Amino acid sequence: GENVEQHPSTLSVQEGDSAVIKCTYSDSASNYFPWYKQELGKGPQLIIDIRSNVGEKKDQRIAVTLNKTAKHFSLHITETQPEDSAVYFCAATPMIYNQGGKLIFGQGTELSVKP
Amino acid sequence: NAGVTQTPKFQVLKTGQSMTLQCAQDMNHEYMSWYRQDPGMGLRLIHYSVGAGITDQGEVPNGYNVSRSTTEDFPLRLLSAAPSQTSVYFCASSRMGLVDYEQYFGPGTRLTVT
Repeated sequence: GENVEQHPSTLSVQEGDSAVIKCTYSDSASNYFPWYKQELGKGPQLIIDIRSNVGEKKDQRIAVTLNKTAKHFSLHITETQPEDSAVYFCAATPMIYNQGGKLIFGQGTELSVKP
Repeated sequence: NAGVTQTPKFQVLKTGQSMTLQCAQDMNHEYMSWYRQDPGMGLRLIHYSVGAGITDQGEVPNGYNVSRSTTEDFPLRLLSAAPSQTSVYFCASSRMGLVDYEQYFGPGTRLTVT
């Protein structure tokens, strides 16, 4: 089955700097790669996702890149702000019609943005 | 819309006790799932359902039962709680098909088994 590895486990940056979180996956059948943000005491919330037919996707200060050959994908946050402090999870799954998505998550990265 | 709701928020059980974690969604989503979250291990899929009457096992199903009698509800049952089941449990739901994959998570239930 799928296995997702996420690095680093903790990341501390100064406000305004960029942050990069990296994930690798094992199942070449995976075709959907979401990123979730989890604030303290809350459930994870989707912030951006990418499908295997796209190499890069951007949404304001957040971008995700995908390298299918190397089986890795990354989250890039530019101009970080204190409200970006949270735990971030990557996930992967082969999305199959009418079977839903059994997301396999990475271990999480705790991002701390210092003012 | 309330989205995905979970009850209770906190629960303490003694080893061997049973209980049911409730999950409900009001978005008419076909797909529902249960995850557990442990430090350093991310979220691991316990059970999932693609519609009423259909359930299947995820990565870590042992010790848990589920059923799906309606589209809205997906309860998770612990038949005989063990300390290894101390965790935070999240329920999630999403549409199916190949257009909108976003999974919506509930606020979680923090379970402690002593």
